[in-house]
Amino acid sequence: QVHLVQSGAEVKKPGASVKVSCKASEYTFTTYYLHWVRQAPGRGFEWMGIIYPSGEIRIHAQKFQGRVTMSRDTSTSTVYVEVSSLRSDDTAVYYCARDLGGWNFFDYWGQGTLVTVSS
Amino acid sequence: ETVLTQSPGTLSLSPGERATLSCRASQSFSSSYLAWYQQRPGQAPRLLIYGASSRATGIPDRFSGSGSGTDFTLTISRLEPEDFAVYYCQQYESSPWTFGQGTKVEIK
Repeated sequence: QVHLVQSGAEVKKPGASVKVSCKASEYTFTTYYLHWVRQAPGRGFEWMGIIYPSGEIRIHAQKFQGRVTMSRDTSTSTVYVEVSSLRSDDTAVYYCARDLGGWNFFDYWGQGTLVTVSS
Repeated sequence: ETVLTQSPGTLSLSPGERATLSCRASQSFSSSYLAWYQQRPGQAPRLLIYGASSRATGIPDRFSGSGSGTDFTLTISRLEPEDFAVYYCQQYESSPWTFGQGTKVEIK
């Protein structure tokens, strides 16, 4: 059984940064693709980017380029997403999700991390 | 960017009834790269269908998917109490991957 366990909820002020983690277990971490997807009230799901098994990273350029950074630590089987210059419309539940074979759909999801941006 | 429009927004049905959910794409797919997910309150989405019609591991056969081009359908043949939830379609035909806005299946 694949498990993706994410870090806890965060409350941040506008302009700050947040870093969310996702720890994978019970599968070979470096053989799968991991995505970040967020779900915002009233805006639905938004795909943010992907970390390939090779370590290569591709971020949804139009929407997130320049404000979103993704990374991974293979020694702890953990991936990260960091969002900087937070705005109120970054308030969302952030999910990591595993991709079956690089097809860009998601067979396992983390439990989600609520990030609230509020002054 | 491919826009997915789901209909209806809400479907009010009774247990045992058949549910038919629609997902329409703003551009035609050359391949059936469409997935369906179920999301219960407070939970992460669960993959139901990929490739428009292939059931994911462990998904009951009362769930089926069909369609091609721009029109796709998720059918739940006989609603069980645990099926009342929100359903989303997602395309992986062209980047960026996008989702529909969801159809809520509620108890009538």
